[in-house]
Amino acid sequence: QVQLVQSGAEVKKPGASVKVSCKTSGYTFATFRVSWVRQAPGQGLEWMGWISPYNGNANYAQKFQGRVTMTTDTSTNTAYMELMSLTSDDTAVYYCARVGGGNYYYFDFWGQGTLVTVSS
Amino acid sequence: DIQMTQSPSSLSASVGDRVTITCRASQTISSYLNWYQQKPGKAPNLLIYAASSLQSGVPSRFSGRGSGTDFTLTITSLQPEDFATYSCQQIYSTPYTFGQGTKLEIE
Repeated sequence: QVQLVQSGAEVKKPGASVKVSCKTSGYTFATFRVSWVRQAPGQGLEWMGWISPYNGNANYAQKFQGRVTMTTDTSTNTAYMELMSLTSDDTAVYYCARVGGGNYYYFDFWGQGTLVTVSS
Repeated sequence: DIQMTQSPSSLSASVGDRVTITCRASQTISSYLNWYQQKPGKAPNLLIYAASSLQSGVPSRFSGRGSGTDFTLTITSLQPEDFATYSCQQIYSTPYTFGQGTKLEIE
């Protein structure tokens, strides 16, 4: 069965970076994009971007350009999201999700979420 | 960016009721619209994609309609496990924005 398992909670100081991992199993990793979505406490969902494990091409939301890097490791079927220059506004649960569909994309399997807390 | 606006923000209903949640896009998005259900402390779960296609394994009491800028999610005969937050998402153009969510509560 398809599974996405994320790394554990993180506490970071302002200005630091965080790297969250998303280990996948149960499907051919290279054939599905992986997207990252975050959710601040009590807020809605926010799309950060996605990456193709097939060729490493990434598409980031303009809001995060220059501050986020998404990568994949096809030898371990793992996706990574690194966010730099953290502020308290980055406190959120970060989710990875598999991107399914052809013409109509959808996020059909999700990781369990990783809470990132930014606090001095 | 395309703005997605859901209404209502919250909704109270009873088991067995029929409810409809609306999602409006700030510009036309054809049928590039998904619906997700999210329970507290859990990841979102895909319900509907391409505006009206039911995701595998999702009960048939969930249905989606719409095209262009106006979309609806309808749940017929509410079950206890349906009380959750529902969010729409446009997949027409990046960034793939979500609505702010509609919290469905037990009346």
